[in-house]
Amino acid sequence: EADIYQTPRYLVIGTGKKITLECSQTMGHDKMYWYQQDPGMELHLIHYSYGVNSTEKGDLSSESTVSRIRTEHFPLTLESARPSHTSQYLCASRLCYEQYFGPGTRLTVT
Amino acid sequence: AQKVTQAQTEISVVEKEDVTLDCVYETRDTTYYLFWYKQPPSGELVFLIRRNSFDEQNEISGRYSWNFQKSTSSFNFTITASQVVDSAVYFCALRDGGSNYKLTFGKGTLLTVNP
Repeated sequence: EADIYQTPRYLVIGTGKKITLECSQTMGHDKMYWYQQDPGMELHLIHYSYGVNSTEKGDLSSESTVSRIRTEHFPLTLESARPSHTSQYLCASRLCYEQYFGPGTRLTVT
Repeated sequence: AQKVTQAQTEISVVEKEDVTLDCVYETRDTTYYLFWYKQPPSGELVFLIRRNSFDEQNEISGRYSWNFQKSTSSFNFTITASQVVDSAVYFCALRDGGSNYKLTFGKGTLLTVNP
């Protein structure tokens, strides 16, 4: 079992608002990831981090930003939410091979 | 470039039937890793299995079994005596040996097990 947490689980927010999706893990994993998944679709990597103060963009272009100030914490921020950001956001962490996923945040921007 | 193909978009079976989910992958690397994840309706991804490219042994875990065949670039997943709780989307994923981050996912197969 992996201990990786995401909050909030569900969020409905208006256009133009700034939001931060929280992700934390208690396993001491260096590598962390953010994926975006539309309903019924595959996962797309949007950000990843190898460790503290290391962040990189993934394959799918995203207007979100991330930070990694502490090993256990990898928040994702949208400065100005738009309806096109409506999706599920999944956070994951990895020590060796497997990535372990959090429960996800379902974001709806109205 | 890496690619994972799950040709079955949706499968529907009746409880106690056996079902096989197909996964075909493409990679130029000689060292790579294959994974299966389960995504129940609640949304989280649950890790099921990892297979290394240099280990072609098939694996069985309870009602689950995996058939890895490098000759056909396939990593198929069989559920024996399916149960309603097996209903979920199942994703196959691939990571090459040199990558520090990239998991390439297939599009997933929605399995519905009816009582």
